Amino acid sequence: DVKVTQSSRYLVKRTGEKVFLECVQDMDHENMFWYRQDPGLGLRLIYFSYDVKMKEKGDIPEGYSVSREKKERFSLILESASTNQTSMYLCASSPSNYGYTFGSGTRLTVV
Amino acid sequence: KQEVTQIPAALSVPEGENLVLNCSFTDSAIYNLQWFRQDPGKGLTSLLLIQSSQREQTSGRLNASLDKSSGRSTLYIAASQPGDSATYLCAVGQIGNTPLVFGKGTRLSVIA
Repeated sequence: DVKVTQSSRYLVKRTGEKVFLECVQDMDHENMFWYRQDPGLGLRLIYFSYDVKMKEKGDIPEGYSVSREKKERFSLILESASTNQTSMYLCASSPSNYGYTFGSGTRLTVV
Repeated sequence: KQEVTQIPAALSVPEGENLVLNCSFTDSAIYNLQWFRQDPGKGLTSLLLIQSSQREQTSGRLNASLDKSSGRSTLYIAASQPGDSATYLCAVGQIGNTPLVFGKGTRLSVIA
């Protein structure tokens, strides 16, 4: 069965810390995505990547960066975590022009 | 810019009822449409994927239809069960391998 694995289900970090959220897929998919989900706002796209070492900004990239050094891994980086980045973070992958597979999510709390 | 709307935002039905969830989109030039289920605090689980050339897809008690010309899709759930309680999201894939555009979902409660 295809899998997208997010390294942590729950994470608590302090304001100002550098935070790494890791996502690994085992399906050899070209495309990978990072979303955040907040009540009333739905899913919002942060960054996505169509190939290794490529990245594209989504709708809300401010305060975030990404890294894709290998095809299977897409990392989301919070350079200096702030309380307004407390959220559910969801990673997804897909082959080109096909459906998405999501990971189980990381609930990040910044205190 | 593509916009995806799901109405109602929440729905409560008694167990055993057949129900329809609605999804509408503004730009009919789509590549595919995907329905997801999300349980509280969890990730999204794909339910059905309809390519633009298809009219419907079925999986068990679920049936999704697509009418591109009217910009609408429906998810039909037959004989609903309490275990169907979740948020259902639809997402539209557009031509050109651009990211999916998501609706905000319909929160379904099936009451025993």
